[in-house]
Amino acid sequence: GAVVSQHPSRVICKSGTSVKIECRSLDFQATTMFWYRQFPKQSLMLMATSNEGSKATYEQGVEKDKFLINHASLTLSTLTVTSAHPEDSSFYICSADKGGNSYNEQFFGPGTRLTVL
Amino acid sequence: GNSVTQMEGPVTLSEEAFLTINCTYTATGYPSLFWYVQYPGEGLQLLLKATKADDKGSNKGFEATYRKETTSFHLEKGSVQVSDSAVYFCALSRNAGNMLTFGGGTRLMVKP
Repeated sequence: GAVVSQHPSRVICKSGTSVKIECRSLDFQATTMFWYRQFPKQSLMLMATSNEGSKATYEQGVEKDKFLINHASLTLSTLTVTSAHPEDSSFYICSADKGGNSYNEQFFGPGTRLTVL
Repeated sequence: GNSVTQMEGPVTLSEEAFLTINCTYTATGYPSLFWYVQYPGEGLQLLLKATKADDKGSNKGFEATYRKETTSFHLEKGSVQVSDSAVYFCALSRNAGNMLTFGGGTRLMVKP
């Protein structure tokens, strides 16, 4: 299999605090993980590409200092939303590239719903 | 650059109706093509995929054929069920470790 988990599944925080979201590949090693943001009734917007042991590559318009990404191991990437504000409220989804296959398939986590009060 | 265009929703059908969700793409070379499904409150699940021209991906009664000549990957199902109600995303990927490019998503609502 290829299972990706996210923790927490749902988080509510106060404005100004920081929130960390974990993305884990449970039964495979992922050299590359991706972080997406999804607004209600909209498509997924790629925020950044995370490579193990190196700095993340952020998409245009995504603030690096606000959305800190750390890919410390082949099975874990974290996204930290720093000094969260209500406009950061969204559904954050990670995915992992299993690599070594010809399908270029990504496996998605179940998502984390962030609500900033 | 790469892009994916899919029909806007919502698509509302009665149970057992025939479903088609159109998807066309723009990409250089030969991308892999995917359909993902998102049930309410959940992340994306891979529904089916195709990696080369004329390949047909199929799963759970859904099918899509990779048509290079029309750059399309339309999703079809012969008889939808209420449980198929979800948002469907068409996507492409050029290389392993490369990002997915998603279409805008199509919401399907199936009524009993």
